[in-house]
Amino acid sequence: AQSVAQPEDQVNVAEGNPLTVKCTYSVSGNPYLFWYVQYPNRGLQFLLKYITGDNLVKGSYGFEAEFNKSQTSFHLKKPSALVSDSALYFCAVRGNFNKFYFGSGTKLNVKP
Amino acid sequence: EPEVTQTPSHQVTQMGQEVILRCVPISNHLYFYWYRQILGQKVEFLVSFYNNEISEKSEIFDDQFSVERPDGSNFTLKIRSTKLEDSAMYFCASTRQVPSQETQYFGPGTRLLVL
Repeated sequence: AQSVAQPEDQVNVAEGNPLTVKCTYSVSGNPYLFWYVQYPNRGLQFLLKYITGDNLVKGSYGFEAEFNKSQTSFHLKKPSALVSDSALYFCAVRGNFNKFYFGSGTKLNVKP
Repeated sequence: EPEVTQTPSHQVTQMGQEVILRCVPISNHLYFYWYRQILGQKVEFLVSFYNNEISEKSEIFDDQFSVERPDGSNFTLKIRSTKLEDSAMYFCASTRQVPSQETQYFGPGTRLLVL
């Protein structure tokens, strides 16, 4: 069965500092992994995805994610956080028939 | 940039009433999905739809739910007799095709409140 876990309900970081939002996955077969961001009262916006190739994936708004097969992780990172990055972040894995399995979400708070 | 749209943004209804949530997927997309997110919980898959039929549905998607593509642009989710526990944010999503590389594009959601 496909699943993802986001072990942190909330991540707090100061503006300008690097941020990491953690995600681990469990899949049968090759993992197809995604990150989405949700701003208040908005839908899910696609940030980036890993399908194959380089383990470091670059996405929107300066975000990147590192795929680590041995640790079954796909952590979201950004070198320098902005206050405007404050939002809810979801990791997802593609399952059969292209349905997505989402993690429980991590609330990112970036303080000025 | 094309995007998925959903109406209404908010819906309040009485328990037992029927509701229809509407979505307009991205125009050249062929695969459509509904997800829901109960407040404070994760986003859950409900149903996928392709070629005018359901491809897959979750155990949440019982006989009270139905989906339809009534014309070339709309994709609807109907809940026949709403229950309190149907209160959630409902997201529509679409993809152009189903190779594994495809990203799903999500609408802004409809927040449904059942009283």
